[in-house]
Amino acid sequence: ELKVEQNPLFLSMQEGKNYTIYCNYSTTSDRLYWYRQDPGKSLESLFVLLSNGAVKQEGRLMASLDTKARLSTLHITAAVHDLSATYFCAVQNDYKLSFGAGTTVTVRA
Amino acid sequence: DAGVIQSPRHEVTEMGQEVTLRCKPISGHNSLFWYRQTMMRGLELLIYFNNNVPIDDSGMPEDRFSAKMPNASFSTLKIQPSEPRDSAVYFCASSLSGTIGVYSNQPQHFGDGTRLSIL
Repeated sequence: ELKVEQNPLFLSMQEGKNYTIYCNYSTTSDRLYWYRQDPGKSLESLFVLLSNGAVKQEGRLMASLDTKARLSTLHITAAVHDLSATYFCAVQNDYKLSFGAGTTVTVRA
Repeated sequence: DAGVIQSPRHEVTEMGQEVTLRCKPISGHNSLFWYRQTMMRGLELLIYFNNNVPIDDSGMPEDRFSAKMPNASFSTLKIQPSEPRDSAVYFCASSLSGTIGVYSNQPQHFGDGTRLSIL
């Protein structure tokens, strides 16, 4: 069974500083996704990573994938309050998505 | 474009009652997924439909749960009888996929969810 581990589970960020969320998974995968969820809301797709070495960037968020290490990272640059949310990585095999437990991010002034 | 539409957004009912959750996927999407989200277990896949056919229902907790997809634009998840431990947020998601074994790069698009409370 595919296992997906995220860490940390909770992250208190100071505005303006940089942080990284890690996503490890246990078996080879077709692709990896990062989603964002605001409290009481749906999941919003942020990135799709397809191959080893893939890097995607959108604003202050950058995601990368190392398939050999079975590791993806979500890097946050110069955190701002708007980024407070829960971030999930999800690993796909065939049609099935396996989600990590999520990282709840709080950005403080 | 309209996203995945779920109804109701909130449901509060007493144990033993039948609960029906509804989902309208994005037009043109041929894959539909039902998930359950709880604090204890996170996001779990309940059932997956491809071209209106149930492909994988191994995540359905027990016989009290059933799901149907009578056509490409509608799906239901039913719980009968409901129990307090069924309280959770239920999400429907849809995506566009190719033939089985060949999947597009499109992510699953999630609805806003139904927050279900069984008293």
